Amino acid sequence: DTGVSQDPRHKITKRGQNVTFRCDPISEHNRLYWYRQTLGQGPEFLTYFQNEAQLEKSRLLSDRFSAERPKGSFSTLEIQRTEQGDSAMYLCASSHPDRPDYGYTFGSGTRLTVV
Amino acid sequence: QKEVEQNSGPLSVPEGAIASLNCTYSDRVSQSFFWYRQYSGKSPELIMSIYSNGDKEDGRFTAQLNKASQYVSLLIRDSQPSDSATYLCAVKVAPGRRALTFGSGTRLQVQP
Repeated sequence: DTGVSQDPRHKITKRGQNVTFRCDPISEHNRLYWYRQTLGQGPEFLTYFQNEAQLEKSRLLSDRFSAERPKGSFSTLEIQRTEQGDSAMYLCASSHPDRPDYGYTFGSGTRLTVV
Repeated sequence: QKEVEQNSGPLSVPEGAIASLNCTYSDRVSQSFFWYRQYSGKSPELIMSIYSNGDKEDGRFTAQLNKASQYVSLLIRDSQPSDSATYLCAVKVAPGRRALTFGSGTRLQVQP
């Protein structure tokens, strides 16, 4: 098991373009989370999946943001019509339901820069 | 009031000293508490979790939880320069919610 994998590691896009990020969680983890982190701040929760069901969304997740986990394995996060304020590190994490002590395992993140 | 609050620091301690990091939370029904370490440019990694009042020790790290006072702390004994990082407190703020709420982190600098 290679941990949580995120792709791409870096993305530079022009304002107004759409971007999509991918996350592959640890295989036996059925819970998957997306967070956003800006400089000097802690990670902010965006959304949570249990298997393929999206069970929780933050109010931070505007209608320009959409996330999917179609087969309960990998997940994608799409941002439409990007704005400069979307520039951040987008972190994916996964967890195992029977091992709460283990908390989350984070991926390396996708750093988005909107120019 | 933020749900999870931490002093941003930096907290500077000499090598070999004890570093004490604190975190307060606002929701009395919070159940689970975690400390993560984040090196600059890297993603957070879990150090410890704690659920019950009292102390929990793991190597050089001790987590302390006081639910009545709504604070959780992390002690790092024999601090090393490699411990220099930002330490994030994370709380599961309500039953039924799976997502953790993170504080903004405390930057620790261990001086050689």
